[in-house]
Amino acid sequence: AQKITQTQPGMFVQEKEAVTLDCTYDTSDPSYGLFWYKQPSSGEMIFLIYQGSYDQQNATEGRYSLNFQKARKSANLVISASQLGDSAMYFCAMRLRNQAGTALIFGKGTTLSVSS
Amino acid sequence: ETGVTQTPRHLVMGMTNKKSLKCEQHLGHNAMYWYKQSAKKPLELMFVYNFKEQTENNSVPSRFSPECPNSSHLFLHLHTLQPEDSALYLCASSQGTSGGYEQFFGPGTRLTVL
Repeated sequence: AQKITQTQPGMFVQEKEAVTLDCTYDTSDPSYGLFWYKQPSSGEMIFLIYQGSYDQQNATEGRYSLNFQKARKSANLVISASQLGDSAMYFCAMRLRNQAGTALIFGKGTTLSVSS
Repeated sequence: ETGVTQTPRHLVMGMTNKKSLKCEQHLGHNAMYWYKQSAKKPLELMFVYNFKEQTENNSVPSRFSPECPNSSHLFLHLHTLQPEDSALYLCASSQGTSGGYEQFFGPGTRLTVL
């Protein structure tokens, strides 16, 4: 069965520091995609970054990068130079690439708190 | 309006009421989704629609009834709900339902069932 595990319920970091949010996944399908979303207190889920299972390089989007270690089945999100506005809930999610009609499987999320 | 919108943002209803949640996407996407987010639980997929056709029903109780009249609109009709149905209901859309298509989410409807 497919599963996403986020083991850190909460993380605390100071402004301008880097932070890594952990995500491990479980699937026997060789073709899949991994996503990270941010959910501020307003409730909206904001897409951050995507990594395909066959992508050779780690994905990067501005201050966000995904540390993809396929053999370990981990897809950690790295946020560089944290900002106060980064305080939010962060979700890791997975979708099987070749299975049409399926939606995302989400982890339980990690709450990130950035202080000044 | 841009992106994905949801109305109402907040809803309080009794167990005997009938209400509907509305979702509209302005992105030209073909797929739409309903998710339920309860406290301390992962987001749970409820329904998937692709080109107005329901392609997935994740064992959702019949007191939740989805409707997708076109690719831009998605409704969730609610009737005789239970207090444990109180949650944030999120709508999302994507270009397609497979591959690396990211889903764009609306702000959600926070539902409280009394």
